[in-house]
Amino acid sequence: GESVGLHLPTLSVQEGDNSIINCAYSNSASDYFIWYKQESGKGPQFIIDIRSNMDKRQGQRVTVLLNKTVKHLSLQIAATQPGDSAVYFCAEGDHTGFQKLVFGTGTRLLVSP
Amino acid sequence: NAGVTQTPKFQVLKTGQSMTLQCAQDMNHEYMSWYRQDPGMGLRLIHYSVGAGITDQGEVPNGYNVSRSTTEDFPLRLLSAAPSQTSVYFCASRRAGDRFGELFFGEGSRLTVL
Repeated sequence: GESVGLHLPTLSVQEGDNSIINCAYSNSASDYFIWYKQESGKGPQFIIDIRSNMDKRQGQRVTVLLNKTVKHLSLQIAATQPGDSAVYFCAEGDHTGFQKLVFGTGTRLLVSP
Repeated sequence: NAGVTQTPKFQVLKTGQSMTLQCAQDMNHEYMSWYRQDPGMGLRLIHYSVGAGITDQGEVPNGYNVSRSTTEDFPLRLLSAAPSQTSVYFCASRRAGDRFGELFFGEGSRLTVL
């Protein structure tokens, strides 16, 4: 597989634990945020998104929390599984559309059985 | 459905050579885009298209060319390869009207320019 992002921050958890991955964004004008998952050798995969008029949004085993005061975004994964091992990165954008999305570099999640 | 298909998966070029990275999607998505992914950096948009016959530049368009003659295909051309274009390239598509972060990515094309 590829090795893009050799020096990414890494979060190591045990199978069954809850994982929290954090992201700080920079632009106060951003009003739309997305989390992606990228497995080794694969393209990114959309997980969940949230607009700035919400503080929390839940999906299947995932929750995204948005704190606009401190410009912070987090992704919580419940009951983490080995298949969740991947690089997770956030992206921020605004109403002008996808062409202005700014992507983060990501956090590597390692799940041990 | 195959989704977004990129070819080739790996390519090595010499400086000055040209080549085309192919991208095809079978989901009838209107929007298609090309990104590059480099170590220590987030994805960066090269070019994008909102429909057949319509293309526009992204953040890092220099040295690349695109065209969109059909809804399905969005090839990326490197005109005269340079070592700075060594990267992993991703094609993505999206249906117009969907949430604009809900991109479908291909598996990537790793390009090395010597």
